[in-house]
Amino acid sequence: EAGVTQFPSHSVIEKGQTVTLRCDPISGHDNLYWYRRVMGKEIKFLLHFVKESKQDESGMPNNRFLAERTGGTYSTLKVQPAELEDSGVYFCASSQADRYQETQYFGPGTRLLVL
Amino acid sequence: LAKTTQPISMDSYEGQEVNITCSHNNIATNDYITWYQQFPSQGPRFIIQGYKTKVTNEVASLFIPADRKSSTLSLPRVSLSDTAVYYCLVGDHSGNTPLVFGKGTRLSVIA
Repeated sequence: EAGVTQFPSHSVIEKGQTVTLRCDPISGHDNLYWYRRVMGKEIKFLLHFVKESKQDESGMPNNRFLAERTGGTYSTLKVQPAELEDSGVYFCASSQADRYQETQYFGPGTRLLVL
Repeated sequence: LAKTTQPISMDSYEGQEVNITCSHNNIATNDYITWYQQFPSQGPRFIIQGYKTKVTNEVASLFIPADRKSSTLSLPRVSLSDTAVYYCLVGDHSGNTPLVFGKGTRLSVIA
């Protein structure tokens, strides 16, 4: 079974540019999460999809971040325009919806550097 | 959410048993204790989860005393490949709730 995949693995952009990160969850997992770790900080929750619906987006830092999950399969996280403080590692995780205490499976992350 | 406290770092020689203790004094009745492992350049990976007493799987054991205010992750006979950051998480970690990560414990295994 394929795990959670993320693309790209690394991205270097200039301040003000736009970047789109993609996450492909494990097939059949309805729950999809985005997390990020900025330099020197802890991994922080950004938002949670159940299928194509945003269940919780309380962790999104501001309106420069837009997440979508059209069709309830893969998800994209767009940062527009990117700022220096957006640099960090963005993780995606997925889990099944119908199993209590189901663990979350993480992807390898996308390393974003904004110059 | 219950706050967790764990050592910042630990060193161990290969072949030793490593115990990492996590304090969670404000744990709620519905909270579970979950440990994740993170290797460099990878996402966190679930290791073990428990509610009380002892849980063991092929990777580790988790010891939880009766008051549940702390827990200990035990890694038997560590190898170099166990070098990673270990996170203790406490919460109602059902399949549809976000995880709350702390700083974790950086374990370094040396030959």
